[in-house]
Amino acid sequence: DAEITQSPRHKITETGRQVTLACHQTWNHNNMFWYRQDLGHGLRLIHYSYGVHDTNKGEVSDGYSVSRSNTEDLPLTLESAASSQTSVYFCASSDDPGRETQYFGPGTRLLVL
Amino acid sequence: KQEVTQIPAALSVPEGENLVLNCSFTDSAIYNLQWFRQDPGKGLTSLLLIQSSQREQTSGRLNASLDKSSGRSTLYIAASQPGDSATYLCAAGREKLTFGTGTRLTIIP
Repeated sequence: DAEITQSPRHKITETGRQVTLACHQTWNHNNMFWYRQDLGHGLRLIHYSYGVHDTNKGEVSDGYSVSRSNTEDLPLTLESAASSQTSVYFCASSDDPGRETQYFGPGTRLLVL
Repeated sequence: KQEVTQIPAALSVPEGENLVLNCSFTDSAIYNLQWFRQDPGKGLTSLLLIQSSQREQTSGRLNASLDKSSGRSTLYIAASQPGDSATYLCAAGREKLTFGTGTRLTIIP
């Protein structure tokens, strides 16, 4: 079955370190998204991509970057981790723009000490 | 900027009751309105998607309605079951979704 996976599922890192969270989908979807979920804020969009080599900033993109070298993967990089980036990160994908629902991965719980 | 609100933040009801979850949005020019379910420690599962030209969508015991003029959507759950216990989130938008903070629903056996 097609799916969307995230790794690692849990990560502890130190302030200032670079961290990369992986997202892989096997639906061959063009659209991929990264969100963070924090208590009291709901899910907020970090970055998104509509296809290979396309990336766009979302609502809370400062301190994060993404790259899209193929259809299946959209890794999220924290350039220099900060305690404010402690959160649960979700990756999602969707197909036909504007019509299809988004399918979410299981999430990565990140703790920055 | 679109803002999405879900009230109440938590709701408990006895098993078997019908219930309604509320979602309000500030920009009536939305494209889609989606309802998701999130179980503790898990990702989001899509329940229903209502396109802007539609008024409602149904799936089994779930019915979602959309009233753009009033900026409201409701998720109706019929004959609630303990397995319905979860957090329910609504989200407005096209591709770039704006989420509410969710309603944590507990069905009491």
